Amino acid sequence: AQSVTQLGSHVSVSEGALVLLRCNYSSSVPPYLFWYVQYPNQGLQLLLKYTSAATLVKGINGFEAEFKKSETSFHLTKPSAHMSDAAEYFCAVSPANTGNQFYFGTGTSLTVIP
Amino acid sequence: GAGVSQSPSNKVTEKGKDVELRCDPISGHTALYWYRQSLGQGLEFLIYFQGNSAPDKSGLPSDRFSAERTGGSVSTLTIQRTQQEDSAVYLCASSLVPGAGYTFGSGTRLTVV
Repeated sequence: AQSVTQLGSHVSVSEGALVLLRCNYSSSVPPYLFWYVQYPNQGLQLLLKYTSAATLVKGINGFEAEFKKSETSFHLTKPSAHMSDAAEYFCAVSPANTGNQFYFGTGTSLTVIP
Repeated sequence: GAGVSQSPSNKVTEKGKDVELRCDPISGHTALYWYRQSLGQGLEFLIYFQGNSAPDKSGLPSDRFSAERTGGSVSTLTIQRTQQEDSAVYLCASSLVPGAGYTFGSGTRLTVV
């Protein structure tokens, strides 16, 4: 079975501060892991994905995430928050052997304080 | 097309009416997914189409929900006898191959009054 847990439904950071959004997964098979961002009134946009290559994955808009198998984590980080980063972020897991379905976390709403 | 297109973008319907939501995936994408996003909640998987295979309907919440994909391209999600709890944003996504990462449409916001 696959599932995703996102710790913290709401995260607030100051502009210029480090962004850290947490994601832990459980998967009975090697997973593919994804982060998606949803801006207000828009669909989801892929930020980055891990598909068993390099464990440190770089995505768009300066975001990156590190796959840590020992911790079953795939936390999303950005060194310096920008006002435009305010959005809803979703972590997702998909079993690598089928990829039929993504299991999404409940999302983390990021607020950036000027 | 360049992206996943969903229509209508907003739909207000009376309780008990039927609604049809349309998704036009990216050309050539063989995998198509429907998700539902309710207020304050995550994404709920509804149904998955892959090529000519039988769809995975395991996420459909009741028999009032159905979906079809004609010609391996456009998909229609139908909700019969809508209820207020059906109010949500319905998101469609497509993928070139399963597991490659989805491209999402902007969604249809359904409001049942």
